[in-house]
Amino acid sequence: DVKVTQSSRYLVKRTGEKVFLECVQDMDHENMFWYRQDPGLGLRLIYFSYDVKMKEKGDIPEGYSVSREKKERFSLILESASTNQTSMYLCASRMTGVYGYTFGSGTRLTVV
Amino acid sequence: GDSVTQMEGPVTLSEEAFLTINCTYTATGYPSLFWYVQYPGEGLQLLLKATKADDKGSNKGFEATYRKETTSFHLEKGSVQVSDSAVYFCARTIQGAQKLVFGQGTRLTINP
Repeated sequence: DVKVTQSSRYLVKRTGEKVFLECVQDMDHENMFWYRQDPGLGLRLIYFSYDVKMKEKGDIPEGYSVSREKKERFSLILESASTNQTSMYLCASRMTGVYGYTFGSGTRLTVV
Repeated sequence: GDSVTQMEGPVTLSEEAFLTINCTYTATGYPSLFWYVQYPGEGLQLLLKATKADDKGSNKGFEATYRKETTSFHLEKGSVQVSDSAVYFCARTIQGAQKLVFGQGTRLTINP
């Protein structure tokens, strides 16, 4: 069964900490995405990557960075966590030319 | 910019009721349209899709028709079940299908 795996389901971090959210896919997909999900706002795109070492800003990149050193892994980095980054974070991947995204189960991050 | 607007939730229905969740999209380009479903504690799953005008997507008893004249992609099901309780997201492609833009989500609760 094809999968997108996010390393943590729940995470609690302190304000100012550097936070790493990891995402791994086993489908050899070129494209990977990080979204955050907030009630009433739906999913908003933070960053995406269409190839190894390539990245593009989404709609809300401020306060975040990403790393894609290997095709299967796409990491989201919160440089200095703040309470307004408390959210559900969803990773997704997609093969070029195919419409369907495959999503991970999400990481619920709480910043205290 | 490109966007998707869904009817506000939450929506609460009784089992076997008819379901409609409205979705409209901005009429730019030639988007593909999607409905995703998120069951409690899980990531998003693709429910159905339509890639051009007048296409009808269907899956698990759900249907949606791509209506270019009304820029709509409403989700319907003739007889809902308790197991359909979830959050439903409408989405469209942008930037030549490179990215997806999501609506805000509609929480559906089905009572026995």
